[in-house]
Amino acid sequence: QSALTQPPSASGSPGQSVTISCTGTSSDVGGYNYVSWYQQHPGKAPKLIIYEVSRRPSGVPDRFFGSKSGNTASLTVSGLQAEDEADYYCSASAGGNNVVFGTGTEVTVL
Amino acid sequence: QVQLVQSGAEVKKPGASVKVSCKASGYTFGDYGITWVRQAPGQGLEWMGWISAYNGNTIYAQNLQGRVTMTTDTSTSTAYLELTGLRSDDTAKYYCARDRGIMYVLNWFDPWGQGTLVTVSS
Repeated sequence: QSALTQPPSASGSPGQSVTISCTGTSSDVGGYNYVSWYQQHPGKAPKLIIYEVSRRPSGVPDRFFGSKSGNTASLTVSGLQAEDEADYYCSASAGGNNVVFGTGTEVTVL
Repeated sequence: QVQLVQSGAEVKKPGASVKVSCKASGYTFGDYGITWVRQAPGQGLEWMGWISAYNGNTIYAQNLQGRVTMTTDTSTSTAYLELTGLRSDDTAKYYCARDRGIMYVLNWFDPWGQGTLVTVSS
């Protein structure tokens, strides 16, 4: 199972929006609505911020928005804040009850 | 609060085995699954597999089958990951995470343990 494709980096100024793409195939991103996004600060464990494409766990600000079209999922962070500077990983359920992660995107707040 | 606490760092020689523990608290252990994810230094996340704490069913990533075993001890709410035939490219931080699925993996990993660094070196 190949990793999902994400851009290596993305950036925006405070208050702006940034969108991260996550491209897979019809066997993973496009085939199921079990797409999640995780935020990882340096030296810390990942944190779930989006599940089932667009649902937010309790406590995650509504500045984080998930969506999907075909084989590509997207995470939009609006109203960028300094604390949003982190690595972001998508993941998707794949055939055979497997899970595949994306390559990761480093978000920089300028 | 819901918490997963993992065992401490390990240093192993090539060919050896390692067993990492993940003790859960703050929820009913058997109502969820546990997934294991690893991250090599400076690299991305790699899903290793999943175990149902309800019935012990497991799913392993294809590239690790034959070397990985995941188990649970419901009496102590602890999950275990054992990896055999260690190689230098197994050097990574190993994370456990709670998954909402008990019959199959639901890709809802929350929360995560603090991670266990496993270093494989001669």
